[in-house]
Amino acid sequence: AQSVTQLGSHVSVSEGALVLLRCNYSSSVPPYLFWYVQYPNQGLQLLLKYTTGATLVKGINGFEAEFKKSETSFHLTKPSAHMSDAAEYFCAVSAYTNQFYFGTGTSLTVIP
Amino acid sequence: KAGVTQTPRYLIKTRGQQVTLSCSPISGHRSVSWYQQTPGQGLQFLFEYFSETQRNKGNFPGRFSGRQFSNSRSEMNVSTLELGDSALYLCASSLGPTTGELFFGEGSRLTVL
Repeated sequence: AQSVTQLGSHVSVSEGALVLLRCNYSSSVPPYLFWYVQYPNQGLQLLLKYTTGATLVKGINGFEAEFKKSETSFHLTKPSAHMSDAAEYFCAVSAYTNQFYFGTGTSLTVIP
Repeated sequence: KAGVTQTPRYLIKTRGQQVTLSCSPISGHRSVSWYQQTPGQGLQFLFEYFSETQRNKGNFPGRFSGRQFSNSRSEMNVSTLELGDSALYLCASSLGPTTGELFFGEGSRLTVL
């Protein structure tokens, strides 16, 4: 079975500060892991994904995430927050299928 | 290349009615998945279709059904609507069932009164 836990339903950072959104997963098989972003009244946009290979994954808009098997984590980071990063972020896991298991989401607020 | 298109974007129904939502995947994508998003339950998998066949189904009652056509377009239907069916219904397409990447539409927001 697969599941995801996102720590912190709300995160606030100052503009220019480090963004760190936490995600821990549980999977009975080597997982595929994803981060999606959702802006108000919109669908989900893929930020980055881990399937196999390099454990440090770079995505769009300066985001990256590191797959740490020993810690069952896939935290999302961005060195410098921008106002446009304010949105809801979802971590997801799948076991080689399109049945994704999503976390409950983290709402990111960027303070000017 | 056009993205995933969902229609209608917004709709209001009353309890007991039924609703049909439509999804056109990205050109060339043959797999379509449906998800329900609510404030209380979050994002939950409904079902997936590939080559007109349902591959996986989530834990939803039989009132929720879907189908896929030969051109990969998909529809989902909810019968005998309940207040709790109010949600954002998201369609996602992918090249196939194991490619590991979903592209989402903007969703159909259903309100049940």
